[in-house]
Amino acid sequence: GAVVSQHPSRVICKSGTSVKIECRSLDFQATTMFWYRQFPKKSLMLMATSNEGSKATYEQGVEKDKFLINHASLTLSTLTVTSAHPEDSSFYICSASRNGNEQFFGPGTRLTVL
Amino acid sequence: GDSVTQMEGPVTLSEEAFLTINCTYTATGYPSLFWYVQYPGEGLQLLLKATKADDKGSNKGFEATYRKETTSFHLEKGSVQVSDSAVYFCALKMYSGGGADGLTFGKGTHLIIQP
Repeated sequence: GAVVSQHPSRVICKSGTSVKIECRSLDFQATTMFWYRQFPKKSLMLMATSNEGSKATYEQGVEKDKFLINHASLTLSTLTVTSAHPEDSSFYICSASRNGNEQFFGPGTRLTVL
Repeated sequence: GDSVTQMEGPVTLSEEAFLTINCTYTATGYPSLFWYVQYPGEGLQLLLKATKADDKGSNKGFEATYRKETTSFHLEKGSVQVSDSAVYFCALKMYSGGGADGLTFGKGTHLIIQP
């Protein structure tokens, strides 16, 4: 099957620092990757869509300067939370899609900002 | 905007009981509908899907039928097992024609099956 990994699985950082989260498709080339955010007892909310080699498309209300997304290759996308604050603490999940078909999800990254 | 509403959990059942998890949606067009399952410590996995009205998705004994008239996609299973314990997410996707589109999710329903 198609496997998507995320690293790290959990991270704790101080307020004001930046955190990078990696999303990798391990056994297929992902033309599109998605980043979601999940609050406790809330649904996953789409943050942005990234296509390899082009700028990410952000959903309304998501600050693109705060959540930097880089999709440098067909197997790797990164999400950088810049100048993180406690309200950025959340569960971040990526998914990868091959040619616009089914999305395969990573296991998620738990970010805690102190 | 598009939205998905599913029943609040947790839902606790005994093994071999009948399961229904309700899901309704609001969309401006005709979305594709999905059920995803998340087992403890794992990522979301596609359980089943339906792409048009009256389609029935099925997998691992689970079924859901795309009902346009009631804008619903309820998940059912005739006899649940302990191994079905997980969080279930209902989701929709609008097809824009421009490539892959993100999913709109419900809040998830935590299912607990007791032996």
